[in-house]
Amino acid sequence: DGGITQSPKYLFRKEGQNVTLSCEQNLNHDAMYWYRQDPGQGLRLIYYSQIVNDFQKGDIAEGYSVSREKKESFPLTVTSAQKNPTAFYLCASKQGFTEAFFGQGTRLTVV
Amino acid sequence: QKEVEQDPGPLSVPEGAIVSLNCTYSNSAFQYFMWYRQYSRKGPELLMYTYSSGNKEDGRFTAQVDKSSKYISLFIRDSQPSDSATYLCAMSGGSNYKLTFGKGTLLTVNP
Repeated sequence: DGGITQSPKYLFRKEGQNVTLSCEQNLNHDAMYWYRQDPGQGLRLIYYSQIVNDFQKGDIAEGYSVSREKKESFPLTVTSAQKNPTAFYLCASKQGFTEAFFGQGTRLTVV
Repeated sequence: QKEVEQDPGPLSVPEGAIVSLNCTYSNSAFQYFMWYRQYSRKGPELLMYTYSSGNKEDGRFTAQVDKSSKYISLFIRDSQPSDSATYLCAMSGGSNYKLTFGKGTLLTVNP
């Protein structure tokens, strides 16, 4: 089955801790995206990558970092510099101007 | 002015009603338009994808694009309680493959 897999589904972070969210796709898509979703805010773009070994900041990149060493993988690290990390994180992929497909999300909570 | 405007609702309708969901946009470079449905705590799933002005129909769903007015719509016929979800419009075009989303409209279909 082709698709996007995000893990874990739920993640808890202590203050001052870095955590990494996983996103893997087997759709052979070039482009991958990370979005953050807060109640009433819609989807806000954190980072995106249009090709391996290249990525660009989105609208709310501060406190986050990414890497794109393989076509199928685009992990997101939420660093201690992100002061309000509690949110629902969504990963997506697409090819060119075609439609995007999403994973099922990771819910991150600061404890 | 935001690039994509979408009325957040909430919208509440009786079962069997025709639902109309709308987005307006300001970026003339947008050429590709999508509607997603998102159930609570799940990733968005693609409902409709279109890249031309006019109507596209798929079962009970019709997507309409009017590029001259920069206006897109999603119509749901014979709405069902299972249609209760948040509906997100998304669009892309121009020099990169970035997707821009509306904030989403929360729809409730009452039995």
